Amino acid sequence: GQQLNQSPQSMFIQEGEDVSMNCTSSSIFNTWLWYKQDPGEGPVLLIALYKAGELTSNGRLTAQFGITRKDSFLNISASIPSDVGIYFCAGRNTGNQFYFGTGTSLTVIP
Amino acid sequence: ETGVTQSPTHLIKTRGQQVTLRCSSQSGHNTVSWYQQALGQGPQFIFQYYREEENGRGNFPPRFSGLQFPNYSSELNVNALELDDSALYLCASHVTDRREEAFFGQGTRLTVV
Repeated sequence: GQQLNQSPQSMFIQEGEDVSMNCTSSSIFNTWLWYKQDPGEGPVLLIALYKAGELTSNGRLTAQFGITRKDSFLNISASIPSDVGIYFCAGRNTGNQFYFGTGTSLTVIP
Repeated sequence: ETGVTQSPTHLIKTRGQQVTLRCSSQSGHNTVSWYQQALGQGPQFIFQYYREEENGRGNFPPRFSGLQFPNYSSELNVNALELDDSALYLCASHVTDRREEAFFGQGTRLTVV
């Protein structure tokens, strides 16, 4: 099945640092979503983006829907230990199917 | 708490057996999608059900099948289980006609031995 390319694959950062990750696709999507998943749990939605060029914030998180509709990025500012987890991007196409990225594993060192 | 519940939470089956996983969707959500997530990977789209009909399918063989009921709850059935079917199976619900996000259940961990 289709999978989006997400980078970086993993990150180790100091508490307080900012984080940036991105996601690219060969296909156009109508919606971009960013999820966080803790071990043994389902993904939890962080941010949803609906329009090309849209920039949306949710607390310390900021995400943008790329103008080409084939990419998106997520920034986390001033990271804290509870930001630890795996972050997935997901794209929703015109057929209302969701395709997930490969994931970015984030470790925050206190 | 997303309002999407899956059962069972864990399951162990033997190769060749059949399994049924269940999902109750969030109130007001008429579309259910199923995903397979192998360890260390992102969720892979299996299929989606809308108004009791399959409405999209990923790259999974026919032995993966599903049902959606009038109350929008859903089942995922897998026949002739293989070792590679061991994974976390996630159900997500969303409203097709509106710009709403998919809300995931906590998943069913299936182990095939």
